[in-house]
Amino acid sequence: EDKVVQSPLSLVVHEGDTVTLNCSYEVTNFRSLLWYKQEKKAPTFLFMLTSSGIEKKSGRLSSILDKKELFSILNITATQTGDSAVYLCAVLIQGAQKLVFGQGTRLTINP
Amino acid sequence: EADIYQTPRYLVIGTGKKITLECSQTMGHDKMYWYQQDPGMELHLIHYSYGVNSTEKGDLSSESTVSRIRTEHFPLTLESARPSHTSQYLCASSLLGTDTQYFGPGTRLTVL
Repeated sequence: EDKVVQSPLSLVVHEGDTVTLNCSYEVTNFRSLLWYKQEKKAPTFLFMLTSSGIEKKSGRLSSILDKKELFSILNITATQTGDSAVYLCAVLIQGAQKLVFGQGTRLTINP
Repeated sequence: EADIYQTPRYLVIGTGKKITLECSQTMGHDKMYWYQQDPGMELHLIHYSYGVNSTEKGDLSSESTVSRIRTEHFPLTLESARPSHTSQYLCASSLLGTDTQYFGPGTRLTVL
């Protein structure tokens, strides 16, 4: 059974801290891994990763994929209260073209 | 920014009612999806479509049905709502040959 596991499930830090969110996966036929940010509404797309070792970066957020060890991390530096959200990791299955989601990490940034 | 819309955003109805959740996108995406998400839990795929007149069931068994008569429109229907259908329903779309799915704002359904 295809599975995506995120850790931690919940994280509370102070503004300015750096956080690392983890995503590991066990799937039959990996195509790509996607990160989304979900506040009170729709998940919004952050990154898509297909190749190992190539960092994707957007402002204070960055992500990298390790296809040998089957995991990805999402880093957020100099966190702000607006970064508070649930961060979702999902793996796209080749052929079936479906996303398998992890449970999400609820990140809370305190001022 | 994706242009994908869902209505209603919130719905509270009684058991046994028939409901249709609307989803429309203006991006010309071929593929559309419906996910169900309970509070604090994963999103689960319940239906998807590769194009007009194409519909498939997802991983999570659902008593809902979908139709795809027009590219931009992918409504989801529950013939007889029950309290177990209480959940958030998220619609998404993507372009054929690409991996990124763009999500609508969701419909939070409560069945009393």
